[in-house]
Amino acid sequence: QQKVQQSPESLIVPEGGMASLNCTSSDRNVDYFWWYRQHSGKSPKMLMSIFSNGEKEEGRFTVHLNKASLHTSLHIRDSQPSDSALYLCATSNTNKVVFGTGTRLQVLP
Amino acid sequence: EAAVTQSPRNKVTVTGGNVTLSCRQTNSHNYMYWYRQDTGHGLRLIHYSYGAGNLQIGDVPDGYKATRTTQEDFFLLLELASPSQTSLYFCASSVGSSAETLYFGSGTRLTVL
Repeated sequence: QQKVQQSPESLIVPEGGMASLNCTSSDRNVDYFWWYRQHSGKSPKMLMSIFSNGEKEEGRFTVHLNKASLHTSLHIRDSQPSDSALYLCATSNTNKVVFGTGTRLQVLP
Repeated sequence: EAAVTQSPRNKVTVTGGNVTLSCRQTNSHNYMYWYRQDTGHGLRLIHYSYGAGNLQIGDVPDGYKATRTTQEDFFLLLELASPSQTSLYFCASSVGSSAETLYFGSGTRLTVL
């Protein structure tokens, strides 16, 4: 059973700070990695995806992927209170999408 | 954005009760998924399907049945509900390949007394 480990479990950063979240899969067959964001009381929504080694940037958000180590990280610069949410890492192969337990980010004004 | 509708939003039942959770997507997506979300466990995959009549077993299937009656409709059945099944249930759909984004419904909160 593929497992997705996320760290830290929770993270507090000041407004304007940098938040760094980590995710590692135990399944060497995974092909795809995503980051989903879930605000309190809402459903998860895809934030970013990364499928090949390297880095991808969208606005204040940057994801890195190292397929050899099955590790991805999400970095949020200039964090805003609206970024406070549960961040879920997801991986897939053969259409079975598995999620980690999440990192709860709190951005303090 | 893809539309996925779940019903009911909230459900309370008693131990041993029979519960059906419904999910409909209107985006012609091939894949549909049922997850449960519990604090400390993230989202755990119960069952999924790649088309009408198809069912694939997820990671936590015990105590759950599912049925995909049409391209649009996917149901989760709890025939003898237990308190351990108290949870927030999400349905999701995707176009099809492993590289596709999941679109989630609003969730059903189930309480088993």
